[in-house]
Amino acid sequence: DSGVTQTPKHLITATGQRVTLRCSPRSGDLSVYWYQQSLDQGLQFLIQYYNGEERAKGNILERFSAQQFPDLHSELNLSSLELGDSALYFCASSRWTGSNTEAFFGQGTRLTVV
Amino acid sequence: KNQVEQSPQSLIILEGKNCTLQCNYTVSPFSNLRWYKQDTGRGPVSLTIMTFSENTKSNGRYTATLDADTKQSSLHITASQLSDSASYICVVSAKQTGANNLFFGTGTRLTVIP
Repeated sequence: DSGVTQTPKHLITATGQRVTLRCSPRSGDLSVYWYQQSLDQGLQFLIQYYNGEERAKGNILERFSAQQFPDLHSELNLSSLELGDSALYFCASSRWTGSNTEAFFGQGTRLTVV
Repeated sequence: KNQVEQSPQSLIILEGKNCTLQCNYTVSPFSNLRWYKQDTGRGPVSLTIMTFSENTKSNGRYTATLDADTKQSSLHITASQLSDSASYICVVSAKQTGANNLFFGTGTRLTVIP
């Protein structure tokens, strides 16, 4: 168990809909990263938050948004869903521990858009 | 720009054969590099960590190398087994005062066939 919790584990929704994915980081981890993983694209970085503030942005679509709350949990909002958004969405959390810094991943949310 | 590139994107090998996965990075200032293994449908889990002063580290049949001068790392798998079928992700940590920054490769999908 990595200590990172993602909900829900599976989500099936129709095109055009909006969903929210939730990530609870390991206790004490200030950084949260969101990733999208598909068979043909591999792991694609979406966005990073650090202590409530957006830190870095990757290839995140305008239809997608995220936030990190004061209790450090994070949500990824996906709207106007398209078939191509079907993928595994991971979040990872980390904290600075010097040269031993490590990312801990959740089990992912599998999103299927039909 | 901080980036991590992995090659190949995918690889198919016969059971019992060896293989080598590559990771090139431009992350600075460098703190550490980790290789993660991601079994299908699961979150990635750390396999091995390389710090600046380390050249080679083994974890069973997995051997990671790091060349800090050329900013390259490799993961060598010896006598592959069916259970080695997974995605392997290279993650580089940068030293950032006040926050850690992690940079992820897109992964190499390895398939071991009997």
